[in-house]
Amino acid sequence: AQSVAQPEDQVNVAEGNPLTVKCTYSVSGNPYLFWYVQYPNRGLQFLLKYITGDNLVKGSYGFEAEFNKSQTSFHLKKPSALVSDSALYFCAVRDLNTGGFKTIFGAGTRLFVKA
Amino acid sequence: DAMVIQNPRYQVTQFGKPVTLSCSQTLNHNVMYWYQQKSSQAPKLLFHYYDKDFNNEADTPDNFQSRRPNTSFCFLDIRSPGLGDAAMYLCATSRDAASNEKLFFGSGTQLSVL
Repeated sequence: AQSVAQPEDQVNVAEGNPLTVKCTYSVSGNPYLFWYVQYPNRGLQFLLKYITGDNLVKGSYGFEAEFNKSQTSFHLKKPSALVSDSALYFCAVRDLNTGGFKTIFGAGTRLFVKA
Repeated sequence: DAMVIQNPRYQVTQFGKPVTLSCSQTLNHNVMYWYQQKSSQAPKLLFHYYDKDFNNEADTPDNFQSRRPNTSFCFLDIRSPGLGDAAMYLCATSRDAASNEKLFFGSGTQLSVL
């Protein structure tokens, strides 16, 4: 079964410092991995995805993620955090066993960026 | 520039009183999804439409139904809401069924059951 795990419920970082939000995956076959962000009382917004190719994927708002096949990880990173980055972040994988229709989300990691 | 629009943003209903949530999209996407999200937990897929083909998740209660009268609109009907159905309901779309397609979400409808 396809799954993703986000080991941290919450990440705290000071503004201007680098941030990392962790995600590990378990899939059969090639993984299709995504990061989404959710601001309070809003829907989810797509940040970036890894399908194939370069292991370092760049996305919206200065975020990037590194795909590591040997460690089955897809950690989200940003070199310099902003207070406005404070939100709930979800790692996700498309479930290929259902023809790809189903997106399976991790439990989410709440990011707090302190000024 | 709203692309996936959900109405209303907040919905209050009474225990057992049917309620309908609506979603519209201007993206002309083939696939529309309904997710349930409780208390900032992971969104849980209820069902999806691929064009007119309806696909129900195995663990979606019978109390939940959906209609898609045309490409642009999709409705979530809760026949007899219980207290446990209070949640954020998220509508999403994708261009097609390819596994590399991202999802576009609406802002959600927060449902309260009294």
